[in-house]
Amino acid sequence: DAGVIQSPRHEVTEMGQEVTLRCKPISGHNSLFWYRQTMMRGLELLIYFNNNVPIDDSGMPEDRFSAKMPNASFSTLKIQPSEPRDSAVYFCASSFGQKLYGYTFGSGTRLTVV
Amino acid sequence: DQQVKQNSPSLSVQEGRISILNCDYTNSMFDYFLWYKKYPAEGPTFLISISSIKDKNEDGRFTVFLNKSAKHLSLHIVPSQPGDSAVYFCAAGDSGNTPLVFGKGTRLSVIA
Repeated sequence: DAGVIQSPRHEVTEMGQEVTLRCKPISGHNSLFWYRQTMMRGLELLIYFNNNVPIDDSGMPEDRFSAKMPNASFSTLKIQPSEPRDSAVYFCASSFGQKLYGYTFGSGTRLTVV
Repeated sequence: DQQVKQNSPSLSVQEGRISILNCDYTNSMFDYFLWYKKYPAEGPTFLISISSIKDKNEDGRFTVFLNKSAKHLSLHIVPSQPGDSAVYFCAAGDSGNTPLVFGKGTRLSVIA
């Protein structure tokens, strides 16, 4: 298995532009998580899905952020409009519910908003 | 309010010595704990975990200790190697379906 695949690896965009981050979870995993890593807050959970259904989006910082999971093999995180303070590394992770094995993370998308 | 705290942002250890990374938690509902390792430009990777019914779990050079009464866990790496230099995240979860909660991480530097 290729693991959790995220694209793009790097994104540089201008303030006000729409940004879409993509994630392909591991086949067979039924939970998907979007995390954001910053120096100040570490790894913070934005939203997670179980069986393609959004369960908790309380971590999404503002209405500018939205996430979808149209099927078991694809999810997107969209920021519209983007702001410089959104600059961070965004990770997608998936799991199949075996708690002691945790989650498998993708390599992340480094977003820079200028 | 941080439920999982890693109070040391960084740690420097000589090669061959023991590295001890610490983590504290506040939520008594947590019943399993994990350590992740993260290299630059990569995602975190699972390292070792422990259930609350145990107080120690060992895997090669890595041992995790859990002190439930103190709500404290630690990761011991013996002997430390330069390839262990990375950011280590502590994470905790409960028996329900709530997601893992991560600490802010500790950057370990192993000096040759």
